[in-house]
Amino acid sequence: AQSVTQLDSQVPVFEEAPVELRCNYSSSVSVYLFWYVQYPNQGLQLLLKYLSGSTLVESINGFEAEFNKSQTSFHLRKPSVHISDTAEYFCAVTKATSYDKVIFGPGTSLSVIP
Amino acid sequence: DAGVIQSPRHEVTEMGQEVTLRCKPISGHDYLFWYRQTMMRGLELLIYFNNNVPIDDSGMPEDRFSAKMPNASFSTLKIQPSEPRDSAVYFCASSWGGSVYGYTFGSGTRLTVV
Repeated sequence: AQSVTQLDSQVPVFEEAPVELRCNYSSSVSVYLFWYVQYPNQGLQLLLKYLSGSTLVESINGFEAEFNKSQTSFHLRKPSVHISDTAEYFCAVTKATSYDKVIFGPGTSLSVIP
Repeated sequence: DAGVIQSPRHEVTEMGQEVTLRCKPISGHDYLFWYRQTMMRGLELLIYFNNNVPIDDSGMPEDRFSAKMPNASFSTLKIQPSEPRDSAVYFCASSWGGSVYGYTFGSGTRLTVV
């Protein structure tokens, strides 16, 4: 079975500073990896995903994540955060070989400080 | 497309009462998921459907919970009788072809059982 660990439950960061949200996964088979974002009082939204190919994937709002198979990691980064990035971020994993349910991590609360 | 539509947005009910949560998935999506989110347990998958057929209900906490999907455009999650520990935000999500293209979540129903 797959599992996801998000090591930081809360990450405070000043506006315009860089940020990294850590995600590690466990799986005995190939995986697809996702980052979802949840703004206050809203549902989750897909931020970016890794399916295959380039290990570096980007979102339209400046986030990027890098798939590292040897370290079983999929950390999310942004070089300069904005107040509007304040939200809960969820890393998620599913098996790549056949359809299976997506397993979500516990989430990391990103707070951007003005 | 209006996205995944859930109703009601908020529900306050007394212990012992029946509660019905509703979901309209995105047209054309063939998977539908019900999740529950709490501070203590994070995001939990309760049940999911493929082409209106329940595939995995192993996350349904107990017999008080039931879910149906009578057609491709409507699903319900029912709790009878409700208990205070059922208080949570319940999300419906839909997808096409499983997890590869990501899930689209509704805005959730915040259930409070007093």
